[in-house]
Amino acid sequence: DIVMTQTPLSLSVTPGQPASISCKSSQSLLHRGGKTYLHWYLQRPGQSPQLLIYEVSRRLPGVPDRFSGSGSGTDFTLEISRVDAEDVGIYYCMQGIQVPLTFGGGTKVEIK
Amino acid sequence: EVQLVESGGDLVQPGGSLRLSCAASGFSLSSHWMQWVRQAPGKGLVWVSRISNDMRTTEHAASVQGRFTISRDDAKNTMYLQMRSLRSDDTAVYYCVRDSGWNAYDIWGQGTMVTVSS
Repeated sequence: DIVMTQTPLSLSVTPGQPASISCKSSQSLLHRGGKTYLHWYLQRPGQSPQLLIYEVSRRLPGVPDRFSGSGSGTDFTLEISRVDAEDVGIYYCMQGIQVPLTFGGGTKVEIK
Repeated sequence: EVQLVESGGDLVQPGGSLRLSCAASGFSLSSHWMQWVRQAPGKGLVWVSRISNDMRTTEHAASVQGRFTISRDDAKNTMYLQMRSLRSDDTAVYYCVRDSGWNAYDIWGQGTMVTVSS
């Protein structure tokens, strides 16, 4: 199974400041077709998760452009350029290349 | 509106059975791979099962293999998760999700709670 490791476990951020979450996979997520299947989800308090970014860096329509994803192979990063109060929640990375599909343990983002 | 609505969650005794349903609206289940993801209380997300758009492929996590069965009824545009031999560690919110491609879940249901306890 591919193990997904996220750091940090939690972040406390001042509104308007940047935030960064790291996600590392135990195996490369690069498919032989050339795409990398690493996705990011946000679960706001009391809500179902929602897809933010897929295939490392592609934002879902409607996701603010302050969210960006980067990385390759086994190392990935989600960055929020200016944290807003509505960004509070738990962020999960997930690998979509191999069954069993696996998620990172989550990073809780709070506002200072 | 594109949405997924789960139902069927309940309190069940260890060893019991339950069938979850996921009704889709605004799109056809036969056009997408569909999956189940669960979340134990206070814990993270865990993949459970998936079914291909043509229903030829079904796959399950090792922890539920042989006990859970995923299926779909296209006439009702509804997906199911039949759960048998339930254990306490199956206690979780079960989410129905639409796979938009390579396991990127663009639509999530609201979740249905399954509690396994005596």
